[in-house]
Amino acid sequence: QVQLVESGGGLVKPGGSLRLSCAASGFNFSDYYMSWIRQAPGKGLEWVSYISGAGDYSKYADSVQGRAVISRDNAKRSLYLQVYSVSPEDTAVYYCVRGNGGVYWGQGALVTVSS
Amino acid sequence: DIQMTQSPSSLSASVGDRVTISCQASQDITNYLNWYQQKPGKAPKLLISDASNLETGVPSRFSGTGSGTHFSFTISSLQPEDIATYYCQQYDRLPLTFGGGTKVQIK
Repeated sequence: QVQLVESGGGLVKPGGSLRLSCAASGFNFSDYYMSWIRQAPGKGLEWVSYISGAGDYSKYADSVQGRAVISRDNAKRSLYLQVYSVSPEDTAVYYCVRGNGGVYWGQGALVTVSS
Repeated sequence: DIQMTQSPSSLSASVGDRVTISCQASQDITNYLNWYQQKPGKAPKLLISDASNLETGVPSRFSGTGSGTHFSFTISSLQPEDIATYYCQQYDRLPLTFGGGTKVQIK
């Protein structure tokens, strides 16, 4: 069955960077676009970034444009997100999602930006 | 960006009541709309895709209608296990955008 498992969450200091990973299984990973979607505590859902199956196309939300990098390693069936120059506004649960939303979401990784 | 305006932001209803949530897109998204249910501490669960397509295993009391810019989501007979927050999401174009959510509670 399809599984998406995020890792790399935790406490990050303002101005620092976060790096999240998502391990995928149960489907042909390279066939699918992948997304990162986040949810600040007590708030709604916000799409963060999107990458093509081959990794040659990506797009970012305005809120992270210029300070985030999405990448993937199809041989390792893994998706990554790095966000630089983080602020408390980046505190959220980050979900790895297959495609542009839909059925398959990871369980989420909590990132807290605080000094 | 396509704005998704969801209403109401919260509602309280009795078990057995019919509940309807609205979602309006700022431009035509055809039928590229998902509805999710989210319970505390959990990832969103997809209930309806393509505006009206009920996902496998989802109870038939859930339904969705609409196209273009106006959409609605209905629970025909509210059950205690339906307490959750519900979100609409458009996937017509990037950036993907979500409604603000509707928190459903039991009266």
